[in-house]
Amino acid sequence: GAVVSQHPSRVICKSGTSVKIECRSLDFQATTMFWYRQFPKKSLMLMATSNEGSKATYEQGVEKDKFLINHASLTLSTLTVTSAHPEDSSFYICSGSGQVDYNEQFFGPGTRLTVL
Amino acid sequence: AQKITQTQPGMFVQEKEAVTLDCTYDTSDPSYGLFWYKQPSSGEMIFLIYQGSYDQQNATEGRYSLNFQKARKSANLVISASQLGDSAMYFCAMREVNTGGFKTIFGAGTRLFVKA
Repeated sequence: GAVVSQHPSRVICKSGTSVKIECRSLDFQATTMFWYRQFPKKSLMLMATSNEGSKATYEQGVEKDKFLINHASLTLSTLTVTSAHPEDSSFYICSGSGQVDYNEQFFGPGTRLTVL
Repeated sequence: AQKITQTQPGMFVQEKEAVTLDCTYDTSDPSYGLFWYKQPSSGEMIFLIYQGSYDQQNATEGRYSLNFQKARKSANLVISASQLGDSAMYFCAMREVNTGGFKTIFGAGTRLFVKA
């Protein structure tokens, strides 16, 4: 399958700082990117969907000013957690989809964010 | 209402035996896809198997098979000849084509423990 990378894989930051997570599709063009967060021992919760060149669509309850998503190119999407707080500590996973096909969604390895 | 339900938080299986992980779903969209993913402790999401709503036959991929019962809205994963490396978290997921905006939503997951 296609490869999606995420950077950094792990980040620790102080409360109040902003953190940017990059998600890259390495060998395909991701017209749609999905961002999920996962708390320990819990399921993946969809945060937002972004289409290249458009504003992201956020799921209910997700603060768009808190979690800034940019999808400026077909191979790069970024999630910026602004003014991070300890409750933002989580595992963030991106996923890219390139075509209108049921089973074409490729996941990145995830980024573990710890806010002190 | 829950769209994807996995009622088994944890399952144990003896090595080399088969195990069935349950999944039921709820949708009114006639076009949807069902997926199973494996998430080991490293956190990466590993795609296992896919079943389309219009597929007549149950999907199979090596030791994985999906028992698709459309009328019952169930999509159970069967792992044959379990191996120690199968110990992981398993997520059932669904993607609705017409109503879901191609978003993939996940069940709560089942943690599988394979005993030697």
